[in-house]
Amino acid sequence: NAGVTQTPKFRVLKTGQSMTLLCAQDMNHEYMYWYRQDPGMGLRLIHYSVGEGTTAKGEVPDGYNVSRLKKQNFLLGLESAAPSQTSVYFCASSYFYRLPNTDTQYFGPGTRLTVL
Amino acid sequence: GNSVTQMEGPVTLSEEAFLTINCTYTATGYPSLFWYVQYPGEGLQLLLKATKADDKGSNKGFEATYRKETTSFHLEKGSVQVSDSAVYFCALSERGGGNKLTFGTGTQLKVEL
Repeated sequence: NAGVTQTPKFRVLKTGQSMTLLCAQDMNHEYMYWYRQDPGMGLRLIHYSVGEGTTAKGEVPDGYNVSRLKKQNFLLGLESAAPSQTSVYFCASSYFYRLPNTDTQYFGPGTRLTVL
Repeated sequence: GNSVTQMEGPVTLSEEAFLTINCTYTATGYPSLFWYVQYPGEGLQLLLKATKADDKGSNKGFEATYRKETTSFHLEKGSVQVSDSAVYFCALSERGGGNKLTFGTGTQLKVEL
């Protein structure tokens, strides 16, 4: 049981390049999330998904796209990377909220992205 | 909208000292409240949670009580250890609408011998 895993762990991009971050969970969770963590700002929600085939915008969605084609995977894409997207990206997942005690999110280890 | 305010760090304590990290929140409904901990180079882990007013969450010697009247969820530990050195995040979640979390900015704790 690996929990939430993220690929890659580190990446350096040049401005204008594209990339996809992969998140996978093996807990059969309905909900998945992408956050970015910047110094002094805590974690901010980029996009989230409440089930396979669904996505929704979070607090800071501009410049990112997401897809949830399979329940266990949640992909975050940067089409044209900018230096402002230099950050640590965390994926998380949780159960469907109507089950008891289900609002805990479980986090992956993070991806450190640098855009030059 | 929802917001979480927590005390700024870094906080430096000697081993066995008492710890308090303040957290207050603003929410439109009745949120669940959380403390997450992030050890160096790792993702966030749930430390404790409380889902309704007057609930006390506890784990690994840490405690926090959900105070609706003061909209607070302060984290306490009676005797910290070097291994408690980490960044602590207070967060809230309103049920429904995807269980989205709103985080505070985090408080770095350093415990010295």
